[in-house]
Formats: sequence, C-alpha cells, structure tokens
Amino acid sequence: DAKTTQPPSMDCAEGRAANLPCNHSTISGNEYVYWYRQIHSQGPQYIIHGLKNNETNEMASLIITEDRKSSTLILPHATLRDTAVYYCIVTANFGNEKLTFGTGTRLTIIP
Amino acid sequence: DTAVSQTPKYLVTQMGNDKSIKCEQNLGHDTMYWYKQDSKKFLKIMFSYNNKELIINETVPNRFSPKSPDKAHLNLHINSLELGDSAVYFCASRGPNEQFFGPGTRLTVL
Repeated sequence: DAKTTQPPSMDCAEGRAANLPCNHSTISGNEYVYWYRQIHSQGPQYIIHGLKNNETNEMASLIITEDRKSSTLILPHATLRDTAVYYCIVTANFGNEKLTFGTGTRLTIIP
Repeated sequence: DTAVSQTPKYLVTQMGNDKSIKCEQNLGHDTMYWYKQDSKKFLKIMFSYNNKELIINETVPNRFSPKSPDKAHLNLHINSLELGDSAVYFCASRGPNEQFFGPGTRLTVL
C-alpha cells in the first residue's frame, strides 16, 4: 500500500471548515483513499473514501487532485466533537483490506 | 444496539497469566479483525478472519491465538502475558465500504 504523509497537528475554529491535507504521491491506479478518525479513547470511525472523483457524505467531503497524489478531507462546519486524530489511508485491498494506520493529524477544534 | 462489542473494557493482570478478550458483531459481516494500539498510539492490524477462516496474520507471536466460533464472534486468547502486551486491543468487522470498530479493551500487564 502507498505511504501517506499528514501534518501531525492542526487547529480549527469552531464553526469554520476544517481542511485536512494528505500526500500520497506513490499511489497506484487501483488504490483508494480512505479517511478514518479516532476520538479520544474510542475505536476508529470511518469517514469517507474515494478513488479519483470527489466524494461527499453527511460527515465530510473528500477532494482528490487530478493526479491523485494528494487529497483533502473537509469538515464543513467543525464542532468541538470533531476534535480527534484523523487518519488518511491508501489501500488497494478492497476485499479483505487491512488498514495500515499512520500517525495521522491531531485536529483540535477551538471554541 | 451496539454494532461491534468487546468484553471486557479493562483488563489488568499479572505477567505470565493467560487471558481472553471477546468480540461480537451484530452486523452480519463475514470478515472480522483484531488491531493493537500501543502506548505510542500506533494502530496495527494483528489478524483477520473471513467466515471463521484466518486470512491475515501479521507476524504476531504465537502466544496470541484468535478463535472464531462463528462469523459473528472473534475472540483473542493470549498466553503467557508479557509487559509489552499492554495496549488497547480493537476488534473490527468489515462492511461493504468500511470497517466498524469496537470500543476497545485496555489490557494492562503488571
């Protein structure tokens, strides 16, 4: 699976959009970009995933660059409950995929 | 209803003991996993089972033995516990698009 690079930490004001970047310059054509988050002391939670098109669901939007070498997770109106570690994961094993978690980005929402 | 549940939530035990952690999912999924999150917060996969068959075994010491009595359950048995086994263990099951994680079991070996 391709390696990902994320900033170790970010702050965002409550109510503003939180934009979390991820670099995956060695991504292969059949690899998906997944985002999970882990709120303190809880199990990781799936947010969104995509292959090459931008995706949106009730939690977030995922913007993938045309060359697929980077992506951005957008939380449109961040709340205090969005404070968590966010993991960007690239994997091709869509069947029985194993998720390889990096160090992620610790996002802190500031009141 | 809890989708993926684990028991116990906390487990404190002495070195050398044998212990088990239980996991159950009520989502009807075929594939389940065990992950370990150490004190530095690195989250690593240990095992994966599909319909009671071992699919992934990530070079985990053979003191760790997963057991899947049916596809809704994946238990983790650990023999001869060592200090380094102290961690949070997460069970997960795989849906069509994502993995669903349990709340974790914090194991402390003294």
